[in-house]
Amino acid sequence: KQEVTQIPAALSVPEGENLVLNCSFTDSAIYNLQWFRQDPGKGLTSLLLIQSSQREQTSGRLNASLDKSSGRSTLYIAASQPGDSATYLCAVRQGAQKLVFGQGTRLTINP
Amino acid sequence: DVKVTQSSRYLVKRTGEKVFLECVQDMDHENMFWYRQDPGLGLRLIYFSYDVKMKEKGDIPEGYSVSREKKERFSLILESASTNQTSMYLCASSPFGLADSYEQYFGPGTRLTVT
Repeated sequence: KQEVTQIPAALSVPEGENLVLNCSFTDSAIYNLQWFRQDPGKGLTSLLLIQSSQREQTSGRLNASLDKSSGRSTLYIAASQPGDSATYLCAVRQGAQKLVFGQGTRLTINP
Repeated sequence: DVKVTQSSRYLVKRTGEKVFLECVQDMDHENMFWYRQDPGLGLRLIYFSYDVKMKEKGDIPEGYSVSREKKERFSLILESASTNQTSMYLCASSPFGLADSYEQYFGPGTRLTVT
């Protein structure tokens, strides 16, 4: 059974720092991996999708990498801002349709 | 832009009531999903549907049913609401198929409280 783990569960950093969020999964047979952002009490916003054949994806200050063989993905946030404060979730697509989610990392950027 | 909408942001119901949560997507996606999200348990799949009138159980279907009469609309039904169904409910949609470029798009969520 696929298991997705995100470490750390919470992270607090000062504004301007670069940071890395980690996601690991136990079964490398995935179709893709998505990183989401969730603000308190809100739905999920898709940030990046990395296809199984890709190594990384970039969007603005965000860069996500994927190493299927080791079962790891990282989300790199450059020059963090208070507006980046949110919970970040990773999810792997296993089977044709189903997503398996990690528990998330709650990120706080201090001004 | 893909848009997934949910009928209510907040809902308060009494124990034993029948509850309907509605979800609509505007991208002609075949797949639609219902998840619930609870602190410490993360997101868990309740049901999904890959076509009109088709449904598949997810990880926690007990106490729930679903209905998909039209492609764009997917309803989650709590036949007799209980307090342990108090949760955030999230709907999502995606294209059907094996392409690894297909992603899921989520709605804003419904915070359901059962008293």
